[in-house]
Amino acid sequence: EDQVTQSPEALRLQEGESSSLNCSYTVSGLRGLFWYRQDPGKGPEFLFTLYSAGEEKEKERLKATLTKKESFLHITAPKPEDSATYLCAVQAGGDSNYQLIWGAGTKLIIKP
Amino acid sequence: KAGVTQTPRYLIKTRGQQVTLSCSPISGHRSVSWYQQTPGQGLQFLFEYFSETQRNKGNFPGRFSGRQFSNSRSEMNVSTLELGDSALYLCASSLSGTSIDTQYFGPGTRLTVL
Repeated sequence: EDQVTQSPEALRLQEGESSSLNCSYTVSGLRGLFWYRQDPGKGPEFLFTLYSAGEEKEKERLKATLTKKESFLHITAPKPEDSATYLCAVQAGGDSNYQLIWGAGTKLIIKP
Repeated sequence: KAGVTQTPRYLIKTRGQQVTLSCSPISGHRSVSWYQQTPGQGLQFLFEYFSETQRNKGNFPGRFSGRQFSNSRSEMNVSTLELGDSALYLCASSLSGTSIDTQYFGPGTRLTVL
């Protein structure tokens, strides 16, 4: 069964303290992996798409990487405004009909 | 380019009533997906429409239905509301919903059932 697992469920960091969020997946034929950021009460905001193992993408303090089994979202020197829930989703091949499989998210809190 | 818009933003209904939510996708996007989000369950896929046809459906009861119009705008309807239907309902649009296609989300409609 296709599955996406995010860890940790929650992460508290001090401002400036770098860390990584994990998204592990077991799917048949990865087409793409997506990272979104969601603020409370709002819709998810698209961050990155990764297509193949070894690929990396960066945006400001965020860097996403992909291996054959997992993706990491690295946050360098975070600021309080980076506090949000980060969601990972995978688009699989096979009989998935292009539907996304979502992880439960990691709630990130950056303390000033 | 305008983003995905959803109306209304907030709704309060009572059990047994029905509700209709609306979603206008990004111009040029033909696929619209609907999700229910609750604190305990995360993002749950409801259904997806493409070219006025329901292409995919999640595991929700028949009380949840939707449709898409020729201009790609979509509505979802929930009949006979239950307390457990209280949630944030999100709409996402994408160009075609095929291949590797990014979904862009609207702000959501917060539904509270009393």
